Amino acid sequence: AQTVTQSQPEMSVQEAETVTLSCTYDTSESNYYLFWYKQPPSRQMILVIRQEAYKQQNATENRFSVNFQKAAKSFSLKISDSQLGDTAMYFCAFRHNNNDMRFGAGTRLTVKP
Amino acid sequence: DAGVIQSPRHEVTEMGQEVTLRCKPISGHNSLFWYRQTMMRGLELLIYFNNNVPIDDSGMPEDRFSAKMPNASFSTLKIQPSEPRDSAVYFCASTPTSGANTGELFFGEGSRLTVL
Repeated sequence: AQTVTQSQPEMSVQEAETVTLSCTYDTSESNYYLFWYKQPPSRQMILVIRQEAYKQQNATENRFSVNFQKAAKSFSLKISDSQLGDTAMYFCAFRHNNNDMRFGAGTRLTVKP
Repeated sequence: DAGVIQSPRHEVTEMGQEVTLRCKPISGHNSLFWYRQTMMRGLELLIYFNNNVPIDDSGMPEDRFSAKMPNASFSTLKIQPSEPRDSAVYFCASTPTSGANTGELFFGEGSRLTVL
């Protein structure tokens, strides 16, 4: 069974600084998707970034980028130039084929002014 | 385009009452998922459907929970009788399984259930 582990329950960062959220996963599959979702206080689940396992290049979306290490089964999220609006819960997630999506426990990120 | 639509957004009920949560997936999406979110257990999959057929319901807690998808545009999650430990946010999500499939799930805004 696939599992997703986020070892940082809470993190904080100063506005305009850079922060990295960690995620590891366990799977025997070779092709899959990895995701980071953001959940602000409104509770809406918002996709931040997506990585396909067969792509070696790390995904980037504006201030958000990932460090995907397939052999190590690691998928960290880097947020550059942190903004107050980045304050939220961040969930790492794994999905293989058309099966269900597995989530980590989440990391609560607070951006301080 | 309309996203995933869930109703009600908030529900407060008393223990023993029946609760029905509703979901309308994005048009053209043929996979639908029900998740439950609590502080203690995080995001848990309850059940998911492909082409209106239940594929995996192993996450449904017990016989008090049931889910249906009578057609491609509507699903319900029913709890009967409800108990205080069912208090949670229930999310519905949808995604296509082919064509424009990028793997991501598109979530509704969730239904917050409080059972007194």
